Amino acid sequence: KQEVTQIPAALSVPEGENLVLNCSFTDSAIYNLQWFRQDPGKGLTSLLLIQSSQREQTSGRLNASLDKSSGRSTLYIAASQPGDSATYLCAVPKYSGAGSYQLTFGKGTKLSVIP
Amino acid sequence: EPEVTQTPSHQVTQMGQEVILRCVPISNHLYFYWYRQILGQKVEFLVSFYNNEISEKSEIFDDQFSVERPDGSNFTLKIRSTKLEDSAMYFCASTLRSEQFFGPGTRLTVL
Repeated sequence: KQEVTQIPAALSVPEGENLVLNCSFTDSAIYNLQWFRQDPGKGLTSLLLIQSSQREQTSGRLNASLDKSSGRSTLYIAASQPGDSATYLCAVPKYSGAGSYQLTFGKGTKLSVIP
Repeated sequence: EPEVTQTPSHQVTQMGQEVILRCVPISNHLYFYWYRQILGQKVEFLVSFYNNEISEKSEIFDDQFSVERPDGSNFTLKIRSTKLEDSAMYFCASTLRSEQFFGPGTRLTVL
């Protein structure tokens, strides 16, 4: 059974710092990995999808890396801003049949960026 | 930009009552999902739906739950007789291929 772990559970940084969020998964036979942002009481916003054949994926100040063999992914946020404060979740898919994939989520890292 | 929508945003119900949570997936997507998140816990998969039938369901998705796509746009989750432990955020998601897009969620409170 796939298990996804995110460390740290919470992180507080001053504005402008670069930071790294970690995600590990137990079953390395994944198709892709997706990073989400969740604001309090809100839905999940997809940030990046990184395919199993990719090592990195970038979107603006965000960079996600994937090392399938070691079962790890990192989300790098450059020049953090107070607006980046949110919980960041990673999720990996498991094939459910008929082309659909159920996501297994980590518990998330709650990021606070202090002005 | 197309997005997944969900209604209502918050539903309060008495234990034992039936509730229907509604979702409008992104229009050209083919695969639809329901997930839930109990306060302070992980997001958990409930059910996936493709071609008008359930593809996969989790252990949580027992006989009290059902899903339906009654027309070309709506996707619903029905809980027949709610329990206190059904209180959670319920998220609908849809995808065309790999990337899943989530709605804003419905907060279900069972009293």
